[in-house]
Amino acid sequence: GEDVEQSLFLSVREGDSSVINCTYTDSSSTYLYWYKQEPGAGLQLLTYIFSNMDMKQDQRLTVLLNKKDKHLSLRIADTQTGDSAIYFCAEILGSQGNLIFGKGTKLSVKP
Amino acid sequence: GAVVSQHPSWVICKSGTSVKIECRSLDFQATTMFWYRQFPKQSLMLMATSNEGSKATYEQGVEKDKFLINHASLTLSTLTVTSAHPEDSSFYICSAPGTGKSAVNQPQHFGDGTRLSIL
Repeated sequence: GEDVEQSLFLSVREGDSSVINCTYTDSSSTYLYWYKQEPGAGLQLLTYIFSNMDMKQDQRLTVLLNKKDKHLSLRIADTQTGDSAIYFCAEILGSQGNLIFGKGTKLSVKP
Repeated sequence: GAVVSQHPSWVICKSGTSVKIECRSLDFQATTMFWYRQFPKQSLMLMATSNEGSKATYEQGVEKDKFLINHASLTLSTLTVTSAHPEDSSFYICSAPGTGKSAVNQPQHFGDGTRLSIL
């Protein structure tokens, strides 16, 4: 099936690291994405990783990709209250590049 | 960077009204745009693929006559929810692939979404 799976909730304390996990479905997906959605807003592209990479780091964000297990993770270092949002992972399918999204992980950051 | 502008951001209207939502790519051309719908606490679901100069491609279960899509130029796609009813209330989001001729493997750029509330 075409289900991208991720846990629904994650709660961390400010300053801790957050790790959001995702399992995708298509081993031929060439790009995998992480989006952030703040309440009432559209999706903001956080980062993406090409399938021939196993890690990508961008400031506080680290993406790890395990192609064998079709597992993707997003690590946010030094999590801040402003990081509270819903995080969606997505894989790209089809010749026109439409995205298949997970249901989103709601990250709550406590002071 | 590339920006997608979506308008309006919030619409409240009576049942039976038709509502048009615009999606514009501001500094790049988009031959393809996507329309998504998001129900509360759920992920985005692709409704249709809008193709400039040709008919839109609808996902299974999406009524073509209900959700009219027009992609008349390389920078504008519109979604019209015809004769809207309360069950059409939702968050609608458009997206366009980044610059480049091919839509494949390009990061998507999203509009801010339109919250549609039908009374």
